[in-house]
Amino acid sequence: KNEVEQSPQNLTAQEGEFITINCSYSVGISALHWLQQHPGGGIVSLFMLSSGKKKHGRLIATINIQEKHSSLHITASHPRDSAVYICAFARGATNKLIFGTGTLLAVQP
Amino acid sequence: EPEVTQTPSHQVTQMGQEVILRCVPISNHLYFYWYRQILGQKVEFLVSFYNNEISEKSEIFDDQFSVERPDGSNFTLKIRSTKLEDSAMYFCASMTLGQVEETQYFGPGTRLLVL
Repeated sequence: KNEVEQSPQNLTAQEGEFITINCSYSVGISALHWLQQHPGGGIVSLFMLSSGKKKHGRLIATINIQEKHSSLHITASHPRDSAVYICAFARGATNKLIFGTGTLLAVQP
Repeated sequence: EPEVTQTPSHQVTQMGQEVILRCVPISNHLYFYWYRQILGQKVEFLVSFYNNEISEKSEIFDDQFSVERPDGSNFTLKIRSTKLEDSAMYFCASMTLGQVEETQYFGPGTRLLVL
């Protein structure tokens, strides 16, 4: 069973829509990461958060540590937001990342 | 802005051949990782490296795999005798202090295809 579950797996939106991607995890963690994987494959870290909310431009990430749930929101979505969005958490003494399966987002003009 | 680099971007090899994937982490980072992503699947941890030795490895990281930091800047992943199932995207990542609330910086990946 995956320790990190994301929903939806696939999401198609029209340009300008507000988008929400959800992440649930089954173990206690200190912090959760949101990452973006571009169509070419490269991975970029978007947020690392351990409580509350963080905002960067049109991206907002929230986390509820007690409920083991995090959300990534994109306001005023744009076709360039099309990518795979992945949540992950760090585990163990080496803080290796455990990844979710990702949400494939397509924003249509 | 400093970034993690990886070479080559793509590699095609025959089954049974050795491959070496190269990474140059960000210069002041101390913790290094290799991850892989088989097409259509999630990213998986392979190995972490600190202070010139492996600090943790996954079940995937068997005797066919090895890592080293030969010259203080490069960080390499070697697969001794490639199998078809080694075909994947391989990502190198690094971070400064290895702390839980710290960002890992990823390289652009090497796409390996084993024929």
